[in-house]
Amino acid sequence: DSGVTQTPKHLITATGQRVTLRCSPRSGDLSVYWYQQSLDQGLQFLIQYYNGEERAKGNILERFSAQQFPDLHSELNLSSLELGDSALYFCASSTRDSSYNEQFFGPGTRLTVL
Amino acid sequence: AQSVSQHNHHVILSEAASLELGCNYSYGGTVNLFWYVQYPGQHLQLLLKYFSGDPLVKGIKGFEAEFIKSKFSFNLRKPSVQWSDTAEYFCAVTTDSGNTPLVFGKGTRLSVIA
Repeated sequence: DSGVTQTPKHLITATGQRVTLRCSPRSGDLSVYWYQQSLDQGLQFLIQYYNGEERAKGNILERFSAQQFPDLHSELNLSSLELGDSALYFCASSTRDSSYNEQFFGPGTRLTVL
Repeated sequence: AQSVSQHNHHVILSEAASLELGCNYSYGGTVNLFWYVQYPGQHLQLLLKYFSGDPLVKGIKGFEAEFIKSKFSFNLRKPSVQWSDTAEYFCAVTTDSGNTPLVFGKGTRLSVIA
């Protein structure tokens, strides 16, 4: 158990819908990262927050957004869902926002868009 | 932008065989290198990491990796695999320019058979 929790574990929804994925980082970690894992693209970095502020952005679509709340949990919002958004979404956390800090990964949320 | 290549998509080995998984990255500057493992149904866990110093890095569960700067490589090795090593292995890199997100390779699936 990494100490990072993600809910829900599984999510099945239809095209055009909107969903929210939730991540709680390890106690004391200020940085939260979101990744998407799909068969064709592999593990891709989406976005990072540090202590409530957006710190880095990767291959995140405009239909996707995220935020980190004062209690440091984070939510990833996916809207106007398409079949291709079906993937495993991982959250990771680290103590700070340096490249040297190990990232601890959550169990992931498996999103299926029908 | 940096990228990571993992040459083998699926490796099948018998128990007690030796393992070497290839990882090459493309970035001309200083890098931080990681190997993560994802056991079936579990979250990603850090196996080992290299930031600086001795290019031969020892990790958990008997794994080691060697950083060869001239070859832009960070291959993962284990002298004798066990059935419990069956998992997906990911190589990842960050650059040494402050906070940069992890860039992952597409992963290598290792199947160890008795």
